[in-house]
Amino acid sequence: GAVVSQHPSWVICKSGTSVKIECRSLDFQATTMFWYRQFPKQSLMLMATSNEGSKATYEQGVEKDKFLINHASLTLSTLTVTSAHPEDSSFYICSAPDRAHGDGYTFGSGTRLTVV
Amino acid sequence: KQEVTQIPAALSVPEGENLVLNCSFTDSAIYNLQWFRQDPGKGLTSLLLIQSSQREQTSGRLNASLDKSSGRSTLYIAASQPGDSATYLCAVPQGGSEKLVFGKGMKLTVNP
Repeated sequence: GAVVSQHPSWVICKSGTSVKIECRSLDFQATTMFWYRQFPKQSLMLMATSNEGSKATYEQGVEKDKFLINHASLTLSTLTVTSAHPEDSSFYICSAPDRAHGDGYTFGSGTRLTVV
Repeated sequence: KQEVTQIPAALSVPEGENLVLNCSFTDSAIYNLQWFRQDPGKGLTSLLLIQSSQREQTSGRLNASLDKSSGRSTLYIAASQPGDSATYLCAVPQGGSEKLVFGKGMKLTVNP
C-alpha cells in the first residue's frame, strides 16, 4: 500500500524555538495531506488540511500563524510549529488519502514533540 | 456533527480469546469506515476499510462489520495473541468530506 514517511520521529526543543516536521509520500502523489495532533490517552484531532499548491485549511481553534503548513510539491508537506511552548508538546501525525486502494488513508509514523 | 464512540476504553484478556470491539457513530451518512491499530508512540496502521455498500470485510484473523442504519461497526479478532496488544481506533469521514473523525480508541492487552 501507499507509504507516508514522517520525520523526525521525536524532537525536543527549547521554548521559543521553531520545529519543522516533514511528511513525504514515497510511492504516490499526495495532493492532500491531513495534520493531526494527539494528546496522551486522547484521540486524534484534525488540525489542518493541506493541498498541494494552495493555502492550508485550518480547523476551528487552530492558530494558523503558529502552525505553518506548506505543501509545495505532490510528495512533501511540512508542519512548522513556531515559537513553541510547553503546551505545544504533543504527538503530531500526518495522513494522506490512499486513493490507489479505495478511499482509505495512510498515516505517517508520528512525531513526538517535547518543548522544554 | 459526527461523533464516534468506542466502549470500553480498555480491555485485558488472556491469550486465545475471541474479541469484539465496538464502534458507534452518530451520523449514518458515511461512505466508509476504517479501523486502525496504534502501537505506543507510533503512527496508525490501517487494518480494514469498509465501504458503505459493504456489510463486512475480512483480513486474516480480523473481521469488521458495518451496520450503517444503526450507526455501528464491530471489529472481531479471532484467537487473540499477545502481539495484538495495541490501541484500536475506528474512524469515519466527517459529512461528505475526506476529514476523518476518530473515536478515542480501545486499548487492548492480551496476556500470555
